[in-house]
Amino acid sequence: AQTVTQSQPEMSVQEAETVTLSCTYDTSENNYYLFWYKQPPSRQMILVIRQEAYKQQNATENRFSVNFQKAAKSFSLKISDSQLGDTAMYFCAFMITYSGAGSYQLTFGKGTKLSVIP
Amino acid sequence: DAGVIQSPRHEVTEMGQEVTLRCKPISGHDYLFWYRQTMMRGLELLIYFNNNVPIDDSGMPEDRFSAKMPNASFSTLKIQPSEPRDSAVYFCASSFVGVPYGYTFGSGTRLTVV
Repeated sequence: AQTVTQSQPEMSVQEAETVTLSCTYDTSENNYYLFWYKQPPSRQMILVIRQEAYKQQNATENRFSVNFQKAAKSFSLKISDSQLGDTAMYFCAFMITYSGAGSYQLTFGKGTKLSVIP
Repeated sequence: DAGVIQSPRHEVTEMGQEVTLRCKPISGHDYLFWYRQTMMRGLELLIYFNNNVPIDDSGMPEDRFSAKMPNASFSTLKIQPSEPRDSAVYFCASSFVGVPYGYTFGSGTRLTVV
């Protein structure tokens, strides 16, 4: 079974600063995807960024980037130039992608509550 | 594209009553998932469908929970009878397996059982 661990229940950052959210996972699979989802107070789950395990290059989406360390099973999210609208819960998630039991299911971590301070 | 549509957005019901949550996935998506979110347990997968067929319902907590997907554009999650511990936010999500971009989630149903 796959597990996802987010060790930081809460974090805060000053507006315009950079913050890194940590995520580790455990799996014996080789083909998988990793995701970060954002859940603002509106409770909508919003996909922030995704990473294919077979790609060594770290994914980037505007101010959001990841540091993917496959051997260490680590997948951290860096938010640059933090904005007030980044205040939200952030969930790390894992998906295996083969035709078998458990495929295409997202397994989520417990989340990190990020507060951006003006 | 209207996204994944869930109804109702909020539901308050009395213990023992039947509750039905509804979901309309994105057209063309072949996977549909039901998740439950609570403070204590986080996001838990309850059941998922592929091409309208239930694939894994091992996350359904009890026989009081049931889910159906009669066609590609509609799914229901039913709780009968409801209990206070069922109070949670229930999310529906859909995806297209061709390229795993992750899921598209609905806005969720906040269920309160009193």
